Amino acid sequence: SQTIHQWPATLVQPVGSPLSLECTVEGTSNPNLYWYRQAAGRGLQLLFYSVGIGQISSEVPQNLSASRPQDRQFILSSKKLLLSDSGFYLCAWSVTEAPLHFGNGTRLTVT
Amino acid sequence: LAKTTQPISMDSYEGQEVNITCSHNNIATNDYITWYQQFPSQGPRFIIQGYKTKVTNEVASLFIPADRKSSTLSLPRVSLSDTAVYYCLASLGGTYKYIFGTGTRLKVLA
Repeated sequence: SQTIHQWPATLVQPVGSPLSLECTVEGTSNPNLYWYRQAAGRGLQLLFYSVGIGQISSEVPQNLSASRPQDRQFILSSKKLLLSDSGFYLCAWSVTEAPLHFGNGTRLTVT
Repeated sequence: LAKTTQPISMDSYEGQEVNITCSHNNIATNDYITWYQQFPSQGPRFIIQGYKTKVTNEVASLFIPADRKSSTLSLPRVSLSDTAVYYCLASLGGTYKYIFGTGTRLKVLA
């Protein structure tokens, strides 16, 4: 069966520090991968999605970036965090028209 | 991509049937309609997906009229544990770009 791993679960980082969140999927090949962010009490904002290794589509221009170094690995990064980067970050995967499957998320607090 | 519109919030009592309607007026021919449930501090969880008419699984039913411009998620006999945010998503088959709407916050009361 397919599983998605996302870590860390919680993270507290000072303003201006770098960020690296990792997501890996097991049990499937060539998945579509996604990063979403959810501000407190708000909906899901699509940040990046990828349909293949090295293929990244950005939906929100900001100081975040994403990379897909391997087929089932998706990384969200920032060189310098802003207070506004605080939120709940969710990784998800899908194949063809199948539904999205989400990880457990990372709660990021930028102080 | 079809934009979806849902009620912001709904209240219900335990044991009642809850129907949440989603509007997706500009849905494309190859769009599927998918519903997700999200609890606080968790990722959304898939509930049900359909293309037309009616789909039923062990937790919900999805009704899609012939024009497919709306859909209704039906939760039979809700319990307190069904209190969550429910998202409707009309996804364009092939683009893989899934943008969620605001969701419906369902509160089930005792």
